[in-house]
Amino acid sequence: EAEVAQSPRYKITEKSQAVAFWCDPISGHATLYWYRQILGQGPELLVQFQDESVVDDSQLPKDRFSAERLKGVDSTLKIQPAELGDSAMYLCASSPRLGTSGLYAQYFGPGTRLTVT
Amino acid sequence: KQEVTQIPAALSVPEGENLVLNCSFTDSAIYNLQWFRQDPGKGLTSLLLIQSSQREQTSGRLNASLDKSSGRSTLYIAASQPGDSATYLCAVRTQGGSEKLVFGKGTKLTVNP
Repeated sequence: EAEVAQSPRYKITEKSQAVAFWCDPISGHATLYWYRQILGQGPELLVQFQDESVVDDSQLPKDRFSAERLKGVDSTLKIQPAELGDSAMYLCASSPRLGTSGLYAQYFGPGTRLTVT
Repeated sequence: KQEVTQIPAALSVPEGENLVLNCSFTDSAIYNLQWFRQDPGKGLTSLLLIQSSQREQTSGRLNASLDKSSGRSTLYIAASQPGDSATYLCAVRTQGGSEKLVFGKGTKLTVNP
């Protein structure tokens, strides 16, 4: 069964350092999501892509976070500089194209657990 | 703004018991509702997807219902097992715009042998 791939699985970094996460969605899925999940909370959307275009980045802290999906396939989420409050699980999900997605589930990767010290 | 609430926040039951987890949402303009399972430190596993036009979905020992007009969903787990211990998350797919998922905070289930 096709899966969403993420790396690394765990990352420990010092505050003020840069950190990057990678996601490869299920083949053929045009829509890609990055969520952040703080311990004890549900995931919250950071940014959403349709192909290589950003659809929603209203909750992305743009002063320190950036995301790209240059060829409309895999994606990178970057934090620079990292802050203590960024410690969380970063989850990537994918789904077929918007407009059809009401019929389909979102499929999540294993996540990247970030600890900022 | 869509808000999703899950009750209870935590639940502990003996093995073999049938149980119900509750989810409520404030805006009925949804495409679908999805139930997920999350083990500690892991990603989300999709359990059931209910379209807005459907009333329920079943998979093995799991049954999820949806009453869109009242903004409620339930996840029924039959004959619970220790392996069912996890956090269960409910999420609704919003209509319009980014069609994003809005999550509840989850119910942490412990099934005791």
